[in-house]
Amino acid sequence: ETGVTQSPTHLIKTRGQQVTLRCSSQSGHNTVSWYQQALGQGPQFIFQYYREEENGRGNFPPRFSGLQFPNYSSELNVNALELDDSALYLCASSLEWVQFHFGPGTRLTVL
Amino acid sequence: DQQVKQNSPSLSVQEGRISILNCDYTNSMFDYFLWYKKYPAEGPTFLISISSIKDKNEDGRFTVFLNKSAKHLSLHIVPSQPGDSAVYFCAATLSGSGGSNYKLTFGKGTLLTVNP
Repeated sequence: ETGVTQSPTHLIKTRGQQVTLRCSSQSGHNTVSWYQQALGQGPQFIFQYYREEENGRGNFPPRFSGLQFPNYSSELNVNALELDDSALYLCASSLEWVQFHFGPGTRLTVL
Repeated sequence: DQQVKQNSPSLSVQEGRISILNCDYTNSMFDYFLWYKKYPAEGPTFLISISSIKDKNEDGRFTVFLNKSAKHLSLHIVPSQPGDSAVYFCAATLSGSGGSNYKLTFGKGTLLTVNP
């Protein structure tokens, strides 16, 4: 059974740029959630996708957007990057219940 | 507004002793609670969970206790092992949100160090 994978592992961008982060769900999982973990904080919910539809959103501005594909993999897009967007971005997948399986994360640094 | 609070940033215990990690929540609507363990450079790993209809759940060395009236839960690890050294996150959710909208609200985490 393949776990949740994320790419890239690390990324450096400058303010104002755009970034796309990718996530492959665990096999058979139809729900994907994205979380932002800033340094010294717990993960913060960004949004969730269920069967390719956004199914819930946290307190993040519209420049954070996402997609879920028919194979249930997902993308997180962030436009107009700000310094405060520097964080670990975690993807988690599940099969319609709360036992989410997290990927290793993408470390984004905005300079 | 921190709805899930882990007030101890760190905890150090001796191998073989009990580790007790604490978590408080403010939202009385939360009805399902989870503990995750996180090693550096890895994502959080699910450890144990408890529904609000129970006050205790046990899985091997790990036991979670829930006190709904105090809005408090704790994770007990007995006996503690050096491999348990990690950051532990408490998380809460509203399981009856409908559909698959199971947003997890996390605390800031507690760094547990188990000394040999």
